[in-house]
Amino acid sequence: EAGVTQFPSHSVIEKGQTVTLRCDPISGHDNLYWYRRVMGKEIKFLLHFVKESKQDESGMPNNRFLAERTGGTYSTLKVQPAELEDSGVYFCASSLHASGSYNEQFFGPGTRLTVL
Amino acid sequence: AQKITQTQPGMFVQEKEAVTLDCTYDTSDPSYGLFWYKQPSSGEMIFLIYQGSYDQQNATEGRYSLNFQKARKSANLVISASQLGDSAMYFCAMREKGGGSNYKLTFGKGTLLTVNP
Repeated sequence: EAGVTQFPSHSVIEKGQTVTLRCDPISGHDNLYWYRRVMGKEIKFLLHFVKESKQDESGMPNNRFLAERTGGTYSTLKVQPAELEDSGVYFCASSLHASGSYNEQFFGPGTRLTVL
Repeated sequence: AQKITQTQPGMFVQEKEAVTLDCTYDTSDPSYGLFWYKQPSSGEMIFLIYQGSYDQQNATEGRYSLNFQKARKSANLVISASQLGDSAMYFCAMREKGGGSNYKLTFGKGTLLTVNP
């Protein structure tokens, strides 16, 4: 069974440009999460989808970030326009369950974004 | 205040020895879960072990065990018989059952473990 996949693995763009990151969760996982790790800091939650609905987007830094999950399958995270402080590694994770005592989140390999 | 504290930025251990990676947490929620993830240099996040707040026994998964001390709010990861392939960044994370459907993970800053031959 394929794990969580993310594309691209690396992206280098200039300040002001637009970048779109993609995440394909594990098949059958309704819950999809985006996280980000800025250099030297903790991995921070960005948002949580249940199917195509945004369940919690409290971690989105500002309105330059737009996440979508059309049809409840893959998700995209668009940064427009990108700023220098957006550089970091963006992780996607998926889980079968969100509630209950155990909901292991399986992480993708991440997309390393560099904004110059 | 930090919710997850990993006080060891880096740790060194000799191959075949055991090592303990520290993690303390802060929550007022009686229902929570604690996770450890491993991130090798290749970048992927690998789930290692889980401990639920109501679990009576410490979690174990192969060479990994979690020393859960609820009263002290600590969830240290113990790796027995270290191997060279254990060299990686290790993250402690907590899932809280907050209001609504918020099931996000909160991570510590990580501990970089180096296993020496």
